[in-house]
Amino acid sequence: EVQLVESGGGLVQPGRSLRLSCAASGFSFDDYAMHWVRQVPGKGLEWVSSISWNSGIIGYADSVKGRFTISRDNAKNSLYLQMNSLRAEDTALYYCARIRLNDYFDYWGQGTLVTVSS
Amino acid sequence: QSALTQPASVSGSPGQSITISCTGTSSDVGAYNYVSWYQQHPGKAPKLMIYDVSNRPSGVSNRFSGSKSGNTASLTISGLQAEDEADYYCSSYTSTSTPYVFGTGTKVTVL
Repeated sequence: EVQLVESGGGLVQPGRSLRLSCAASGFSFDDYAMHWVRQVPGKGLEWVSSISWNSGIIGYADSVKGRFTISRDNAKNSLYLQMNSLRAEDTALYYCARIRLNDYFDYWGQGTLVTVSS
Repeated sequence: QSALTQPASVSGSPGQSITISCTGTSSDVGAYNYVSWYQQHPGKAPKLMIYDVSNRPSGVSNRFSGSKSGNTASLTISGLQAEDEADYYCSSYTSTSTPYVFGTGTKVTVL
């Protein structure tokens, strides 16, 4: 069974940093590109970042470019999102998601909540 | 890259059919057959319901179907059931610097 479990969220002050993790199991992690998608509570979904299976291709939404860094450790079946210079508008539930054929998100984690507030 | 446009809400009675539209541009919905649909119940993660415009993943009811015409994709739920009450989001691959875009979301209410 495919499982994605996010962790690392919490309350953080504006300008500070946070690192999210996503532990994957039930599939060959290094065969898939992985993504982060966020959702402000009560609002819609927003694509944040992606990383190819071998970390060779990385992408970011304009809203986080230069502040967030995505990475992965295939030996640990883990995906990460380093978030620096956090802003109030980064407050959201952050999901990690597996992508199939660079086309659709077939599995999602339950999300980890990041709250940026003083 | 702007979000794809969906109606804020759609409602129907049990057994009826409803259709949710998802309007994009020639850079996303109109350019690729990479449109997918997700169902999200309150407090839960999104669940894939349709991919590549009209394909259903294993385990998804055949009451759910998808289509596309030009820059607009659609999700139809036939034989509406109480368990279908949820938020629905479309998504598309895009040719812009933001490779994936989601719709604004539609709340489906079963009357």
